[in-house]
Amino acid sequence: GAVVSQHPSRVICKSGTSVKIECRSLDFQATTMFWYRQFPKQSLMLMATSNEGSKATYEQGVEKDKFLINHASLTLSTLTVTSAHPEDSSFYICSAGTDYGYTFGSGTRLTVV
Amino acid sequence: AQTVTQSQPEMSVQEAETVTLSCTYDTSENNYYLFWYKQPPSRQMILVIRQEAYKQQNATENRFSVNFQKAAKSFSLKISDSQLGDTAMYFCAFGNTGTASKLTFGTGTRLQVTL
Repeated sequence: GAVVSQHPSRVICKSGTSVKIECRSLDFQATTMFWYRQFPKQSLMLMATSNEGSKATYEQGVEKDKFLINHASLTLSTLTVTSAHPEDSSFYICSAGTDYGYTFGSGTRLTVV
Repeated sequence: AQTVTQSQPEMSVQEAETVTLSCTYDTSENNYYLFWYKQPPSRQMILVIRQEAYKQQNATENRFSVNFQKAAKSFSLKISDSQLGDTAMYFCAFGNTGTASKLTFGTGTRLQVTL
């Protein structure tokens, strides 16, 4: 089945630094990638939708300059958290649509200290 | 905009018993998809079952089945012969047709399967 590989699974960074999260579709081409954020014991909140070769579409309230999304190819989408702060600590998940539904990456737990 | 409501924050069921998780949604679309996803402690999102709105027949996947009531906008998940490995968060989700359509998730139901 369709697999989305997400890396890193865990990352700890210092406040003020930037962190890049990668999502790769391994056996299919992902024209669209969705990026979610999940706080403990809460649901997934859609942050943005990335489309290959074009600018990402951000949900209301999500800072474009803080959460940079790049979808340079049909198999790779990246989320960069810039100038990270402790409040950016969260679980980030990517997802791509396939013919069978939506497949998710395994998630990235970001901790900003 | 679509909304998805899961009114049961937590549920518990004994092993081998049957449990039903509720989900209601609101949309003005006629054709769409509904999903149930499982999120175990590993936090990997796993597709449990999918229903296409234009299909009247309820979807089934082994021990998992749905009761899809389109007019009532209800989409409940029944888990039969519950197993300890079913312990997880379960999210109901709505999606328009097309792989570029985003999913709208409910708030989730935490299911605990006990001995």
